[in-house]
Amino acid sequence: EAQVTQNPRYLITVTGKKLTVTCSQNMNHEYMSWYRQDPGLGLRQIYYSMNVEVTDKGDVPEGYKVSRKEKRNFPLILESPSPNQTSLYFCASSPRGGESKNEQFFGPGTRLTVL
Amino acid sequence: GENVEQHPSTLSVQEGDSAVIKCTYSDSASNYFPWYKQELGKGPQLIIDIRSNVGEKKDQRIAVTLNKTAKHFSLHITETQPEDSAVYFCAASIEPAGTASKLTFGTGTRLQVTL
Repeated sequence: EAQVTQNPRYLITVTGKKLTVTCSQNMNHEYMSWYRQDPGLGLRQIYYSMNVEVTDKGDVPEGYKVSRKEKRNFPLILESPSPNQTSLYFCASSPRGGESKNEQFFGPGTRLTVL
Repeated sequence: GENVEQHPSTLSVQEGDSAVIKCTYSDSASNYFPWYKQELGKGPQLIIDIRSNVGEKKDQRIAVTLNKTAKHFSLHITETQPEDSAVYFCAASIEPAGTASKLTFGTGTRLQVTL
């Protein structure tokens, strides 16, 4: 089944304790992205990657890191989480190129609470 | 950068009635406008999209209209059913040829269809 998977789905942690949220897609998509969803703010892009070893900042990158060492994986790293990073996080992937290929496929989400 | 405003934030309709969600965008260069539906506990899923070379697109009970001059686009759902209850997001992007698009999302509309 074509899908985007995220782990963990739920995480409660404390301020300053490094964490990684994994994202993997099995559709051979070039483009991957991380979003955070907050009430009243919609979906805001954190980082995106156009291909392996190519990453760039989105609209709210502060406090986050990403890496893209393999095409299928795009982990989100919080080196020193803070309470304002409490949010619902989504990973998404998309094929690259062509008018019919811009649909973004979203993972199920990771609900993160930073105490 | 692009800014997308979405209204209303909540919408309650009776089953069988129509629902309309409206969005405006700021960047006149934007040319791709998708709509995503997010059901409870899931990631957003593309339901329909429109490109700036057309003014309207329909898919069964859903339709999207685009007014490039006024920089606004709308989602229309006719004969609403309880399974239409969800959060709907509009988005806008500049879709360059040959690459995936960076989406800017609206803040979402929670649609509730009552019996």
